[in-house]
Amino acid sequence: GESVGLHLPTLSVQEGDNSIINCAYSNSASDYFIWYKQESGKGPQFIIDIRSNMDKRQGQRVTVLLNKTVKHLSLQIAATQPGDSAVYFCAEGSISSGSARQLTFGSGTQLTVLP
Amino acid sequence: EAQVTQNPRYLITVTGKKLTVTCSQNMNHEYMSWYRQDPGLGLRQIYYSMNVEVTDKGDVPEGYKVSRKEKRNFPLILESPSPNQTSLYFCASSPVPPGGPEAFFGQGTRLTVV
Repeated sequence: GESVGLHLPTLSVQEGDNSIINCAYSNSASDYFIWYKQESGKGPQFIIDIRSNMDKRQGQRVTVLLNKTVKHLSLQIAATQPGDSAVYFCAEGSISSGSARQLTFGSGTQLTVLP
Repeated sequence: EAQVTQNPRYLITVTGKKLTVTCSQNMNHEYMSWYRQDPGLGLRQIYYSMNVEVTDKGDVPEGYKVSRKEKRNFPLILESPSPNQTSLYFCASSPVPPGGPEAFFGQGTRLTVV
C-alpha cells in the first residue's frame, strides 16, 4: 500500500539552533498532511497541518513545507528548545479517495536537543 | 477538559486470555480509531469508526475486534491475544476527516502478552 516515511530516524541539534525534520510520502492523492509530536509516555499531539494546495504554512516557531513535485514534507522548528525533544511523526490523509477515512503515519524521527 | 481516556494504561496477560481495552472521548467526535505503535514502524491503524455502528478495518486488523455502540466509546477487543500483539496501543478521536488540530489521542495502553 501507500506509505509515508522519514529520511532520518534520529536528529540531534544544539539548543537555540533550528531543526529540520523530513518526510517522504508516496500517495499523490493525499489531500492533507499533519505533523505530530510525541513525548515519552504520551500520545501524539498535533503540531501543524497543511493542505495539498499549499506549499508552506507557519505556526508558532514551526513551519511546514510541502513539495508535491518530489513528494516531500518537512517540519522546521525555530530556536529549538529542550522541550522540543520528542519523536515527530508525519501523517497523511485523503478526503477525496476511497481511503478517505484513514491517516497513514510515518515511522517517526527522534529529535534530541543538546544543551 | 477535552480528552480521550484509555484503560488500562498497562496490562500483562497470557496467550489466549480474552481482553478488552476501553476508550472513551468526551468531545462528541464522530471519528474514532485504534493504532498500535511498534519500534521503527510508527503508528499503524487497526480499526476505525466513522460513527455509531459504523466500523471498518485499518491496515492491521487481524486478531482484533471493535464495537461502536455509543458515540463516546470504542473498545478494542482481543479475543485470543498472542505474543505478536505485544505493543503500545493508542485510541484517537476527531471530527471527520481524521486528524487535524481537533484530534486527540489517548495516553496509550502498553500491552504485554506472554
